[in-house]
Amino acid sequence: NAGVTQTPKFQVLKTGQSMTLQCAQDMNHNSMYWYRQDPGMGLRLIYYSASEGTTDKGEVPNGYNVSRLNKREFSLRLESAAPSQTSVYFCASRPRTGGVSANEKLFFGSGTQLSVL
Amino acid sequence: GQQVMQIPQYQHVQEGEDFTTYCNSSTTLSNIQWYKQRPGGHPVFLIQLVKSGEVKKQKRLTFQFGEAKKNSSLHITATQTTDVGTYFCAGTEGSYIPTFGRGTSLIVHP
Repeated sequence: NAGVTQTPKFQVLKTGQSMTLQCAQDMNHNSMYWYRQDPGMGLRLIYYSASEGTTDKGEVPNGYNVSRLNKREFSLRLESAAPSQTSVYFCASRPRTGGVSANEKLFFGSGTQLSVL
Repeated sequence: GQQVMQIPQYQHVQEGEDFTTYCNSSTTLSNIQWYKQRPGGHPVFLIQLVKSGEVKKQKRLTFQFGEAKKNSSLHITATQTTDVGTYFCAGTEGSYIPTFGRGTSLIVHP
């Protein structure tokens, strides 16, 4: 099992360019998430998909769009990249089988380091 | 909205010294999770605490969940260079999504 796979690992964009970050998981998880990580800011949620067919905004959704293509894949799109979107992006998934006591740990991909010039 | 505060932001220790990081939530949590991120890596799940006053141990790591389920701590005894990384807590309110603290970066000097 590969777990959570993200592509690309590195990307450099010019301001105004667009791109899509890809994420796929092979663990049959229901929920998927996109986070960004900036120095000293921890992990901030951009968008999430609680289950196939649904998506919702997180803490910092502005400038991003997402698509839950199927149960396995959840993509993040930057329509017009800005320098403020320079960050490390992590995709994560978890089973989300229900119940607050269930061990709903997050499985993270290896991340995409994005620089916007 | 839910906020999870984590301190300190950085901690330098000599190898063999102890280390503690603390998390405090503005609301009562249903559970709290802890993750470790090695430099250049991705967060990896360590443990989840659910019960009020719960204490769990993993070798030299001790995790506690407060009686009011609003705070938690991670204590490492006798740090080793392999403990280097950033430790995150993530608190969940109700059945919603975990909110991450800003993390504590542990630097161990040999």
